[in-house]
Amino acid sequence: EVQLVESGGGVVQPGGSLRLSCAASGFFFEDHIMHWVRQPPGKGLEWVAHVTWDGVQTYYADSVEGRFTVSRDNSKKTLHLQMNSLKTEDTATYFCAKDIADRDYSGYWDLWGQGALVTVSS
Amino acid sequence: NLMLTQPHSVSESPGKTVTISCTGNSGTIAANYVQWYQQRPGSAPTIVIYEHDQRPSGVPDRFSGSIDSSSNSASLIISGLKTEDEADYYCQSYDTFRHSVAFGGGTKLTV
Repeated sequence: EVQLVESGGGVVQPGGSLRLSCAASGFFFEDHIMHWVRQPPGKGLEWVAHVTWDGVQTYYADSVEGRFTVSRDNSKKTLHLQMNSLKTEDTATYFCAKDIADRDYSGYWDLWGQGALVTVSS
Repeated sequence: NLMLTQPHSVSESPGKTVTISCTGNSGTIAANYVQWYQQRPGSAPTIVIYEHDQRPSGVPDRFSGSIDSSSNSASLIISGLKTEDEADYYCQSYDTFRHSVAFGGGTKLTV
């Protein structure tokens, strides 16, 4: 089955860390740019980060630069998001998404996970 | 930074046509492709328009997209509105210079 399944969400205190994972199946994971997008409760979508197909290049939103790290393990078909120095404003549902293009960026993200809720609260 | 501005909400009757705008803050919006995503409550987004005006397979032809370089804006047009079209719609584009992705704030469509 073609799908993305996020895991690792939960409740964490401000200043704490959390690692999200996104397990891919049913497609050639190693051929696609992968993204993280978040959505605070009741609010809009915010792009967080993306990683190239080979894991060499990573890009981040200004709001998470220096605190979050995106990585991937193509041998295990898994995408990760390491989140450090978490703030209350990082509270959101985090989605992973697949770019449809083959080893390139297109903006056409054809597969999304169901989302993982991260709550940052004391 | 690329910023995309959408109306907060729009409302129209079943069978009518609605247009949702997405305005860029700098440069030309036509320089990088604009995509449109639909998100229903409790679900992940799904794409309805890519590369300004292309429709993915499975998306009804009631959905169309356009670009107006003179106003630096993109539009999502939905004709023959159905109650099932009620959702939030987001425009999305890419800032090539900064290698970052921008989403509009989202528009809540009520039918």
